[in-house]
Amino acid sequence: QSVLTQPPSASGTPGQTVLISCSGGSSNIGSHTVTWFQQLPGTAPKLLIYNDYQRPSGVPGRFSGSKSGTSASLAISGLQSEDEADYHCAAYDDSLNGWVFGGGTKLTVL
Amino acid sequence: EVQLVQSGGEVKMPGQSLRISCEASGYSFTTYWIGWARQRPGKGLEWMGINHVGDSESIYTPSFRGQVTFSADTSINTAFLQWRSLKASDTAIYYCTRGHNWNYDSFPQFWGQGTLVTVSS
Repeated sequence: QSVLTQPPSASGTPGQTVLISCSGGSSNIGSHTVTWFQQLPGTAPKLLIYNDYQRPSGVPGRFSGSKSGTSASLAISGLQSEDEADYHCAAYDDSLNGWVFGGGTKLTVL
Repeated sequence: EVQLVQSGGEVKMPGQSLRISCEASGYSFTTYWIGWARQRPGKGLEWMGINHVGDSESIYTPSFRGQVTFSADTSINTAFLQWRSLKASDTAIYYCTRGHNWNYDSFPQFWGQGTLVTVSS
């Protein structure tokens, strides 16, 4: 059972916008910024969003993050087939003194 | 360019010991913490803890405290994750990570390619 809660799956057609939610608590998302990772099949996680909404260089502007209270969201606009991957949210947790993750959301591009 | 290169996959029997490695390059190795994460087959990521390779300080998350040991050899810029007695439930891919900056709670920006550990009798 993951500390952060994500939907196990999401889907959309090319060009659509998909939203992936991430819910936590006061000791993690409520106190710290949220990070999102993209994990393509058979590869290591890759940093996608940090500090709630910032994108590392090289990440397309189609990916955006937001946070409100103890919940966060990842939006992917102009969906492309190469976006098919697992998406993980994460935040530092004061109670556990370490990072906590969501269970991951498997995105399917129909 | 920051790179973390992990050792190859391992197949072990229950009760055996194991040490896997993570060789770092492209930055000052002793300045940063190295974190470790587990991903069981078909599951999400779990944070195991973090090790400051410069002074050997480690912070283990409760689920992993006493189950694994973090260490490093600064002469070869390599961090290690070690088990004394493996269990079948340790079967997973293990990732080493490095934070964005030198703080222990910095988000894990860089990831190794992962090491698959299979424990089976």
